[in-house]
Amino acid sequence: DQQVKQNSPSLSVQEGRISILNCDYTNSMFDYFLWYKKYPAEGPTFLISISSIKDKNEDGRFTVFLNKSAKHLSLHIVPSQPGDSAVYFCAASRGDNYGQNFVFGPGTRLSVLP
Amino acid sequence: EAGVAQSPRYKIIEKRQSVAFWCNPISGHATLYWYQQILGQGPKLLIQFQNNGVVDDSQLPKDRFSAERLKGVDSTLKIQPAKLEDSAVYLCASSPWGREGDSPLHFGNGTRLTVT
Repeated sequence: DQQVKQNSPSLSVQEGRISILNCDYTNSMFDYFLWYKKYPAEGPTFLISISSIKDKNEDGRFTVFLNKSAKHLSLHIVPSQPGDSAVYFCAASRGDNYGQNFVFGPGTRLSVLP
Repeated sequence: EAGVAQSPRYKIIEKRQSVAFWCNPISGHATLYWYQQILGQGPKLLIQFQNNGVVDDSQLPKDRFSAERLKGVDSTLKIQPAKLEDSAVYLCASSPWGREGDSPLHFGNGTRLTVT
């Protein structure tokens, strides 16, 4: 049972254009959502997050949108740069008394073409 | 701030052999996670520690995998005996405790295990 889905295994965009990565989740108990970027031979690096009480969060070129009713979030990168080429993982979390339990999607490979 | 440290970076073993991975989390982080990432998939949680206690090990194959976090700091993950399907990257991550504000996971660079 895949609770976090990223239905596009790969995405190619031209440098300077917008990249939109999508993520869907099934568990309505998730209340904290994150995006991670991963380069080859490195661990995932935290990029941006959003709490379920918000519908948008921005950090520089990166914006995450959350649509709770659709159980959908997206990451927008504007403008896209060649250094953004990486695998992007969507993750969702629900908290309990012992901390957070993170579930990851399968990832989308973004290629930004010069 | 020093990041999450993992060793070794790479390990190649034959099936039925044993292997151990080590992790040192970010100083002060009470929660430690071990994830398994198979090629082409997202990280899958194996075990979560809160200080030196296990919070969630529901997806840990306990017949062959074991993990411990002595003194609530460093952790080791062991596989004995290894199977071919254990070939993956093993990622350690840490996070500050609890729900006092959501906080992201911080990952190490992982250990790439190849079982032949």
